[in-house]
Amino acid sequence: ETGVTQTPRHLVMGMTNKKSLKCEQHLGHNAMYWYKQSAKKPLELMFVYNFKEQTENNSVPSRFSPECPNSSHLFLHLHTLQPEDSALYLCASSQDPGVGSEKLFFGSGTQLSVL
Amino acid sequence: GQNIDQPTEMTATEGAIVQINCTYQTSGFNGLFWYQQHAGEAPTFLSYNVLDGLEEKGRFSSFLSRSKGYSYLLLKELQMKDSASYLCASRDSNYQLIWGAGTKLIIKP
Repeated sequence: ETGVTQTPRHLVMGMTNKKSLKCEQHLGHNAMYWYKQSAKKPLELMFVYNFKEQTENNSVPSRFSPECPNSSHLFLHLHTLQPEDSALYLCASSQDPGVGSEKLFFGSGTQLSVL
Repeated sequence: GQNIDQPTEMTATEGAIVQINCTYQTSGFNGLFWYQQHAGEAPTFLSYNVLDGLEEKGRFSSFLSRSKGYSYLLLKELQMKDSASYLCASRDSNYQLIWGAGTKLIIKP
């Protein structure tokens, strides 16, 4: 149990669907992250929120839309996805992203399949 | 460009020792991390090195050589539960984490 909870664990959606991924952290951290993990590829940072403000958007297509209503909750809204978006989506949190030794606490991820 | 290299897959025997290597090229350096990820689970923090040398934590140790851009994770007295992917990540001068693709470690009885 890492203190970061993601739902749903698995999601299958068509290319015309709209769905949302949810992440909640119970650690009192200030920063939250969305990562994409594809098989045999490095983790790809998608978005970073620090104190509810988005501080990173790594050229992510607009079909992915993040939302951070407070420091404990993070959403990723999905619409008109492509099959190549199928991957494991990981949420993470940390106390202070500006510290070198800062470690991330990850959720178990949502395994997304786009048909 | 920034890059992390680690082997894709390794196999070892229960009770033995295995060393997983990682080489990195990043713009500046603010530390080297190792994470463990069991299949279908969250990556979890294993170690952090910022100074040269060996850091030991029970059965796991992590080594760093900044001049060589090299790290390794050493796992002793391997157990079946050590079967997992091991992710190497370097933090650059902007505090961004650059990740390797992970090493899948298979432990055989």
